[in-house]
Amino acid sequence: EIVLTQSPGTLSLSPGERASLSCRASQSVRNNYLAWYQQKPGQAPRLLIYGASSRATGIPERFSGSGSGTDFTLTISRLEPEDFAVYYCQQYGGSPLITFGPGTKVDIK
Amino acid sequence: QVQLVESGGGVVQPGTSLRLSCAASGFIFSSYAMHWVRQAPGKGLEWVGVISHDAKVKIYPDSVRGRFTISRDYSKNTLSLEMSSLRVEDSAIYYCARDPTMGEPDYFDYWGQGTLVTVSS
Repeated sequence: EIVLTQSPGTLSLSPGERASLSCRASQSVRNNYLAWYQQKPGQAPRLLIYGASSRATGIPERFSGSGSGTDFTLTISRLEPEDFAVYYCQQYGGSPLITFGPGTKVDIK
Repeated sequence: QVQLVESGGGVVQPGTSLRLSCAASGFIFSSYAMHWVRQAPGKGLEWVGVISHDAKVKIYPDSVRGRFTISRDYSKNTLSLEMSSLRVEDSAIYYCARDPTMGEPDYFDYWGQGTLVTVSS
């Protein structure tokens, strides 16, 4: 079973700073089938990144994904006020078929 | 534009059943696999299952297999989740979500706003 671990649990930063969020898998993610989502309070998640590094439609360029195998990173180059939220990684194609990480909260310092 | 609107949530007792619906619009419903994802209050996301675009393949995680059934009605562009033998731990916001490809189940490009299910005696 693929288990995803996200770190840190909470990231306290100021607007304009760079954010690096980690997602580590307990075993290699097939074909780098990893996605990232942003969720704000009271809202559904929003797809940011799929295939580890492809930005979804309409997602600003300040969001980027990287990594392969078991180690993946979501980077927000310069935090905007609307970027403070919880971020989840998700793998697809493993066993079980789809699993999510526990999330990283990015809050305002 | 793509819209997914869930309904059917509510408060039910343990051991009972409940049926959730998701009305889809703004895209060709028969061309996309559809998923259910849930989120317990204040917790993370948990995948609940998928139905292929042609309804021939349905896959569930161990936590709900045998208790939950996903179906779809092409005439009404509606996705359903039939939940039986409900447990307190099934309490969550249930989201329907679209899978952007016709191949293997993967990620979710559109989500509904969710419907809350509370299982309590």
